[in-house]
Amino acid sequence: GAGVSQSPRYKVAKRGQDVALRCDPISGHVSLFWYQQALGQGPEFLTYFQNEAQLDKSGLPSDRFFAERPEGSVSTLKIQRTQQEDSAVYLCASSFDRANQPQHFGDGTRLSIL
Amino acid sequence: AQSVAQPEDQVNVAEGNPLTVKCTYSVSGNPYLFWYVQYPNRGLQFLLKYITGDNLVKGSYGFEAEFNKSQTSFHLKKPSALVSDSALYFCAVRVAYSGAGSYQLTFGKGTKLSVIP
Repeated sequence: GAGVSQSPRYKVAKRGQDVALRCDPISGHVSLFWYQQALGQGPEFLTYFQNEAQLDKSGLPSDRFFAERPEGSVSTLKIQRTQQEDSAVYLCASSFDRANQPQHFGDGTRLSIL
Repeated sequence: AQSVAQPEDQVNVAEGNPLTVKCTYSVSGNPYLFWYVQYPNRGLQFLLKYITGDNLVKGSYGFEAEFNKSQTSFHLKKPSALVSDSALYFCAVRVAYSGAGSYQLTFGKGTKLSVIP
């Protein structure tokens, strides 16, 4: 079956531009997560959705970061007025709605801010 | 708060030899523990998990992990390493509970495994 799909795979933007990253989770997965992975580091949690409800956004680093999942399926992570420190790989994961279920990851979007 | 430590940035092992990638964790309460593997320019791929029950967990591609509650460890093992096992390995933890809430994972920094032919 299809896995988690993320687009674009690579995004280059100039400092100050807005970007939008898309995630299409595995069909039937209620839970959706966004993580940020800096070079040489493990993924760090950004935000969590249960269906269309954003239940946890404690990991979003600033109010420039915004995520939505309006119909409980596809999600978009938006970064406004990008800064160089936003350069990272952004990973999306989805899972069934149980704490003991593994999260399944997409291949990520590598964001480079010039 | 929850945290994961992977004390080795890199592990080198000869092909055919057993391998161990170390992980220790800290969590308030009982843990759910996971191992993931990441190949270059790819996302994380789930290998195995510990939820409850037997301390030795078997997963994909011949990997297994041993949960040790007293040492708060969850080391990844494989009896005979393959060159194709060379990749980045991440240990992750979340607190175990069945109620509603955020099921975010906390990851270690990763360990690069190199299997030498």
